[in-house]
This record gives sequence, C-alpha cells and structure tokens, in this order.
Amino acid sequence: GQNIDQPTEMTATEGAIVQINCTYQTSGFNGLFWYQQHAGEAPTFLSYNVLDGLEEKGRFSSFLSRSKGYSYLLLKELQMKDSASYLCAVSDSNYQLIWGAGTKLIIKP
Amino acid sequence: IAGITQAPTSQILAAGRRMTLRCTQDMRHNAMYWYRQDLGLGLRLIHYSNTAGTTGKGEVPDGYSVSRANTDDFPLTLASAVPSQTSVYFCASSDSLDRETGELFFGEGSRLTVL
Repeated sequence: GQNIDQPTEMTATEGAIVQINCTYQTSGFNGLFWYQQHAGEAPTFLSYNVLDGLEEKGRFSSFLSRSKGYSYLLLKELQMKDSASYLCAVSDSNYQLIWGAGTKLIIKP
Repeated sequence: IAGITQAPTSQILAAGRRMTLRCTQDMRHNAMYWYRQDLGLGLRLIHYSNTAGTTGKGEVPDGYSVSRANTDDFPLTLASAVPSQTSVYFCASSDSLDRETGELFFGEGSRLTVL
C-alpha cells in the first residue's frame, strides 16, 4: 500500500532551526508537497519538490531524495507564528495526492 | 477577494438526515476536490472533478455524492448521515494546467458533527 510517515509532534524554541522529516512509499512519484495548517484553518501551500535537492524559499527550505523516499522541511529563525501542523503529501503515478497525518510543531519562547 | 467559500462553517446533524455542504470558487479553476480530515489521519479524498460536467471517486466515496454543473460550484451531499461521517470537510481547487505542480487552494472547512 501507499504510505507517508512523519512525526506526530515536535517542539522547538523561538529563533532556532527545526527539521521535519517525511518518508514515503508510493506507487509512482510525481512530486512531493509541503503544506502548513494552523489550528482551525485551511492548509496552505509551502513547497513543491520533484527533483532531488534543496529548494529554498525564505526561511523555509525543502529537500528531496527520491532514491531514499525521503524529504524534509527546514524552518529557520523560528517565530511563534510558525506553530502549526505541517503536512507532507506525495503525488503518485496517477497524480493523486497521498497525505501524511501531519506534524504538529510547537514553538516555545 | 478571490478564493473558495464553503458553507456551512459548522453543523450538528442528526443521524439519518440529508446534508449538503456547499463549495464555490471564483478562481476559474478546472479541478475541484472534497477531502475529509480526521484526527491522526491524513487528508482523505472523497470525490473530485477535473472539469465541469465530470466527477470521480476518491479514496473514501461511500455515503457521499457530488455534482459539478458549472465551473464554480461543487456541492457535497450526504444522503443519510451516519456518526462516522463526523469530520472536518475541506473543499479545494487547482488549475489543471498546474497538474504537475498541483498546488491546491483550500476553503476554510466545514465542521460536521453527526449525532
């Protein structure tokens, strides 16, 4: 079956760096997405990776290794507003999105 | 403001009742989706529509139906609600031309409780 694994919860300190990992096993691969979801709100798009390597976008970076079925989201200079759930999703061979359960990130002062 | 509007925001419903969740987008996106989100689980696709006039089944379609009479509207109907359909429902859309990047735009969600 298809599976996306990411940690349930992580805690980090304001101003620090945190890495949220995502591993996947899917039938085919057409890209990996990261979304941010604040409590009680809709998910919003953060990043998309289809080739191996690091994509940087401001304080957020996303890395992909297709051979390892692995991605991470790196958040730098953490701010309290970064407290949210981070959802990893993979587009399979039919361009259907398979979603992980999300990682709840708690930022402490 | 462009985006996706869902209604109602929240609803408590007796089991066995019929319920329609409304979804309207003004971005002229071809593709629209309905997901449910439950604690501890990833978003699960209920139904989708690649273009007006067509619909398809997702991962968990049983007990739900959809229609796509025009580009903007994509209502989700629960014919006879059951407690296991208690969930947060998200409508989303994407520009099918961006299928390979697949950025989804989500509505604010509809929280449904079936008693």
